[in-house]
Amino acid sequence: DTGVSQDPRHKITKRGQNVTFRCDPISEHNRLYWYRQTLGQGPEFLTYFQNEAQLEKSRLLSDRFSAERPKGSFSTLEIQRTEQGDSAMYLCASSLPATSSYEQYFGPGTRLTVT
Amino acid sequence: DAKTTQPNSMESNEEEPVHLPCNHSTISGTDYIHWYRQLPSQGPEYVIHGLTSNVNNRMASLAIAEDRKSSTLILHRATLRDAAVYYCIPNGGQGAQKLVFGQGTRLTINP
Repeated sequence: DTGVSQDPRHKITKRGQNVTFRCDPISEHNRLYWYRQTLGQGPEFLTYFQNEAQLEKSRLLSDRFSAERPKGSFSTLEIQRTEQGDSAMYLCASSLPATSSYEQYFGPGTRLTVT
Repeated sequence: DAKTTQPNSMESNEEEPVHLPCNHSTISGTDYIHWYRQLPSQGPEYVIHGLTSNVNNRMASLAIAEDRKSSTLILHRATLRDAAVYYCIPNGGQGAQKLVFGQGTRLTINP
């Protein structure tokens, strides 16, 4: 499978715990994006990387959220001190440089439930 | 970011054409019009994009109004697998980064 993969697919955690999600983009893609989707809504942009540089962060990304992309390959999204409002699907996408293609390829998502 | 208006839901029958409209009256001159769809329990997938001219690919056709304030995604022969939420997304051209999703149109296909 050469698509975007995300791990885990499902995560249930208690309020106040920390969680970390991983995204592996398509290998030749240098751009990587994180989105969040709550039930019945379209995905909302959180942040994006070009190679290892984090170039944009949404105001939705509070200081409890941190994303990294060491060495410009896989990325992790960590949520500290989870709250029930963090329950959502977290989607990762990757793309080639904008000069080559405008298409973003999405992974299957990680569904987070905070109890 | 340009604001979009799409019907909340549409319904069609299998093997019939489907026309999904989108209004994007505040689109800027350099914004491309992208369409993505999201099948149940999956991440969104790219369908098609265009700037000014109508576009065709193996999945769909995109008809763009001459003033670019609206567009229509055309599925020529709908199948059950086309049941999904369809999002119209005006997006910047070269150098564009994030996608701004609206509510989309939930398409139901009847057998």
